[in-house]
Amino acid sequence: GENVGLHLPTLSVQEGDNSIINCAYSNSASDYFIWYKQESGKGPQFIIDIRSNMDKRQGQRVTVLLNKTVKHLSLQIAATQPGDSAVYFCAENPTGANSKLTFGKGITLSVRP
Amino acid sequence: KAGVTQTPRYLIKTRGQQVTLSCSPISGHRSVSWYQQTPGQGLQFLFEYFSETQRNKGNFPGRFSGRQFSNSRSEMNVSTLELGDSALYLCASSLVGGIDTQYFGPGTRLTVL
Repeated sequence: GENVGLHLPTLSVQEGDNSIINCAYSNSASDYFIWYKQESGKGPQFIIDIRSNMDKRQGQRVTVLLNKTVKHLSLQIAATQPGDSAVYFCAENPTGANSKLTFGKGITLSVRP
Repeated sequence: KAGVTQTPRYLIKTRGQQVTLSCSPISGHRSVSWYQQTPGQGLQFLFEYFSETQRNKGNFPGRFSGRQFSNSRSEMNVSTLELGDSALYLCASSLVGGIDTQYFGPGTRLTVL
């Protein structure tokens, strides 16, 4: 996709550092959460997901944490690389919404060399 | 396995015209969802099709419509285009919908003049 980050918050990190991207979701009935990464000129790319019966899930260099009490989702990226620079979206799928993902506004991650 | 493909990638139309966008899902995927992405509103769900039936719909006017064919390919149509319809239109496919992971195509950039 095009750069939709004109008014998005930006997180700037040093290459090699860990990044933490946070997201507050709105629907307490959501039972499935996903993180997507969108680079310029591309559609959102799936990173990792988590079901509401879990509070942590790990992938390759990424970890998603879910805190249902405060309706908070975070994405941790270990050893951030220049290729991680992109816009990151969290998305929620409320129970019974049947594929109707609700996306957050997005956060731009900028990695400094 | 080929990813989600969308055609055309770019379109320029004038107000009042109509437009048809096409989406070919990942082979074996039967659910196709459409989203609109704009800088102001972010990613918003339009509708979802499964087995040639619209299963879910977002909050868009009736000018936005879609259909799905027996091979799971989908089209969306926007009639009587307005300037505000300028956006990136994204298609996502999943196996059967619900909380299956949705994989996005590169999108169609529509500009309405």
